[in-house]
Amino acid sequence: SAVISQKPSRDICQRGTSLTIQCQVDSQVTMMFWYRQQPGQSLTLIATANQGSEATYESGFVIDKFPISRPNLTFSTLTVSNMSPEDSSIYLCSVQRQGNTEAFFGQGTRLTVV
Amino acid sequence: QKEVEQDPGPLSVPEGAIVSLNCTYSNSAFQYFMWYRQYSRKGPELLMYTYSSGNKEDGRFTAQVDKSSKYISLFIRDSQPSDSATYLCAMSAGGTSYGKLTFGQGTILTVHP
Repeated sequence: SAVISQKPSRDICQRGTSLTIQCQVDSQVTMMFWYRQQPGQSLTLIATANQGSEATYESGFVIDKFPISRPNLTFSTLTVSNMSPEDSSIYLCSVQRQGNTEAFFGQGTRLTVV
Repeated sequence: QKEVEQDPGPLSVPEGAIVSLNCTYSNSAFQYFMWYRQYSRKGPELLMYTYSSGNKEDGRFTAQVDKSSKYISLFIRDSQPSDSATYLCAMSAGGTSYGKLTFGQGTILTVHP
C-alpha cells in the first residue's frame, strides 16, 4: 500500500474563490489521479496527473476549472477555480505503482462552497 | 445507462449474516475488478482485487467475477458491526486506461448487533 496525505482535510470557501488541494505520497508512484465524489454519489475521475507534463482530463472536466500540477513522483496539486456551490464535493487523490494495478486513495478533502 | 450499476441499498443485516453485494457492467473491456470499503468521512479502502473471471477469497471476504455475464459480487461471511460502511465496486480496462477506475454508486451496509 501507500501512505497518502491530503491537505486540507476540509474547507469552507466563498463562491468565486479558488482552493488548492495537495496530495503527498510517502514513496514514488507511477500514476496519480484526482477524483470527485459529489454528495450521495460515487467517485468520478477528474484527471490523470502526469509528471512533468500537462494533466489528462476526462470528459466534462477542463484545465481552466481544475488545473493540476505534478512536479515530481510523490506530489500533486488540484486547484478548484472560480468555485460555485455545485463544486461542493469530496476531492480524492489516488495513486498506483509501476506494475501494480491496485489503486489507493487518500482521505479526501471535503469542500463546501457557500 | 451507466457503465457500472450497483444497487445503492441501503442494506441492513443482523450480525453474523452473510452479505452479498453485486455490480453489473456494460463495458466488455473491463479486466480488473476491485471492491472498496468507505467509512463515513474517510477515503475508500481497497478490500479485494481480482483480474478476469473467477473467485478470490481473503478471510471473511470472497470476490467473484463472471465476465461472461458482466457481473461481479462480494460476499461477506459472519458479518460484524464494524463492516458497516459503503461498499464500492470499481473496474478498469487496463492498457491506456490503466489505473482509471469506473465506480459503481456504492451500497450502504449496516450490520446491527
